[in-house]
Parts: sequence; C-alpha cells; structure tokens
Amino acid sequence: QSALTQPASVSGSPGQSITISCTGTSSDVGSHNLVSWYQQLPGRAPKLMIYEVSERRSGVSDRFSGSKSGNTAALTISGLQAEDEADYYCCSYAGGSTVIFGGGTKLTVL
Amino acid sequence: LQLQESGPGLVKPSETLSLTCTVSGGSISSSSYYWGWIRQPPGKGLEWIGSIYYTGSTYYNPSLKSRVTISVDTSNNQFSLKLNSVTAADTAVYSCARDYDSSGSFYEWGQGTLVTVSS
Repeated sequence: QSALTQPASVSGSPGQSITISCTGTSSDVGSHNLVSWYQQLPGRAPKLMIYEVSERRSGVSDRFSGSKSGNTAALTISGLQAEDEADYYCCSYAGGSTVIFGGGTKLTVL
Repeated sequence: LQLQESGPGLVKPSETLSLTCTVSGGSISSSSYYWGWIRQPPGKGLEWIGSIYYTGSTYYNPSLKSRVTISVDTSNNQFSLKLNSVTAADTAVYSCARDYDSSGSFYEWGQGTLVTVSS
C-alpha cells in the first residue's frame, strides 16, 4: 500500500488560487468517491476540511473546494489567505475498510 | 466528542508499543463510526495504522498488519493499539481518531502522543 502522491510543496500570493493534486490508483482514488482532505497547522492535529471528494465540512470556508477526475483528486483554495499556510493531506478509501493517506503538501503563502 | 491517547512515551527496540485511546462525550458503540489509529513520524506524513468497529471487527494497514493488534473495550469506552517488534522507524506521534463509516473521514482526533523507540 503506497502513499497517494501529492506535490511536496505549493505556494501562492494572498488572493490567488492554488490547487493541490492527489494521485492514486484505480484501487483507491479511482474506485470510490471517498476522498478527504485535511489541514494540519504546526504542532496541531489534522483537521478534516473536505470529505467525499467535494463535500465541505460544516464551518469550513467556501474558499476550499474538492474535485476528482479518474485516479486524481484535487483540493483548490481560492482567495488565498495567510492563515491557509499549513500542511495538507489527502486520504482515500482503498477497499476492504482500509484507507490510505497522501504524502502531504506544504502550502506557503508568499 | 473528545479522544485522549495514553501510554508510555519511550519504548525499547524489539519491545511492544501499547497505547490506549479514551473516548468521552459520546459512545464508542455508536453505529457507523470506526475508531482508528494514525501515526506521523517527526517531520513526515500521516500513516493510517488501522481501525476497529465497536463489534471488534478490525482493519489494518497491510504494511503493518503482521505487527499490529487493535482492540476495543466498550465498557470503558476505550480502544487500544499494540505494535510489536518496534524499531527506531516506529518513532512517531500516534493519534487516535473517529472515522465515519470507514470512509477515511476522520472528524475528530486526539491531540496525539509522541512515542520514541530507543534503548
């Protein structure tokens, strides 16, 4: 079970939009609409932001959105703000009640 | 709902890592919720270790399956992790979390506890 593939880092200026990709296989991301995204601030527990590919958790800003095409899911953050600077992880159901995380992406707000 | 990990912060190589997660503010026997363990080595990414349903059904990461046992104690609203034959590579922050319907949607997390494997 190899980790889902995410870019190690992305960056953007305040107000811009960025997209973080999450590539899996036909056994995980491609087979189920069960991809979630987590935001992790330094020293903090991960926070669920998006579930079931594109459903935003209650209380999460609508600047965060999720999508999926084939074996690749994506998290888009629009109107980038300084407070968005964090590590982001994708997670996918992988069958047999197992899940798999992505390697994580560090978002820097310039 | 709150989750709190407890257990030794230091384990010797080749020994067994044992942690317990205590759930408060809700029942571990709630249907549709799975209870999971996730770890994060210092400076690295998240790794799902395994999950358990209140009935005792368990699901493990294939790469750790031979060394992992997760159990549940519904009377005390707790679930536990045992990882045997540990090495320095098992040094990580270990967190427990609640997953809705085994979907990978971990809504609530414990604060995490650092376990160091060292002699």
